[in-house]
Amino acid sequence: DAGVIQSPRHEVTEMGQEVTLRCKPISGHNSLFWYRQTMMRGLELLIYFNNNVPIDDSGMPEDRFSAKMPNASFSTLKIQPSEPRDSAVYFCASTPSGGFYNEQFFGPGTRLTVL
Amino acid sequence: QKEVEQNSGPLSVPEGAIASLNCTYSDRGSQSFFWYRQYSGKSPELIMFIYSNGDKEDGRFTAQLNKASQYVSLLIRDSQPSDSATYLCAVNTISTNAGKSTFGDGTTLTVKP
Repeated sequence: DAGVIQSPRHEVTEMGQEVTLRCKPISGHNSLFWYRQTMMRGLELLIYFNNNVPIDDSGMPEDRFSAKMPNASFSTLKIQPSEPRDSAVYFCASTPSGGFYNEQFFGPGTRLTVL
Repeated sequence: QKEVEQNSGPLSVPEGAIASLNCTYSDRGSQSFFWYRQYSGKSPELIMFIYSNGDKEDGRFTAQLNKASQYVSLLIRDSQPSDSATYLCAVNTISTNAGKSTFGDGTTLTVKP
């Protein structure tokens, strides 16, 4: 199994530009999570999906952030317009459906730098 | 109060010593508890999980759970420099059924040769 796949691995952009991060969960996993990690704030849950449906987006910091999951094998996190304070590592994770005994499998992350 | 709290760290131990990492949680409905290890520049990976009160051992790692005290810990015996990493405590509650975990801020462990 290839694990959770994220792209790009690194992204450097200028303030005001649109940024799109991509994630492919592990096949058969029904839940997908987007996290942001910084030294100051630790690992923050932004949004999560179950069976492609957004369940909780209360962690999305602003309207500039949006996420979609059009099918079971693909999700995007978009920031428009981007700001320097959005600089962080963004992780995607997936887990099998069926309850609270399942670990989360993390992708390698996307390191975003907004200049 | 945060939902999941960990020792602020950093924690430094000599090689061969026991490292003790602690975590408390606020939701009494919590059912499952996970310890993830995160090396610098890498993503978190699971090293231990525990569901029942008591101890669970896996090699040099022991997870301890006390639901009455809402406390979970991770002991690392015979600590090695390769154990130097940030350890994240994560908790799943009965109120969610989509695998959502609440993570602590992590404790950074350094094992000195």
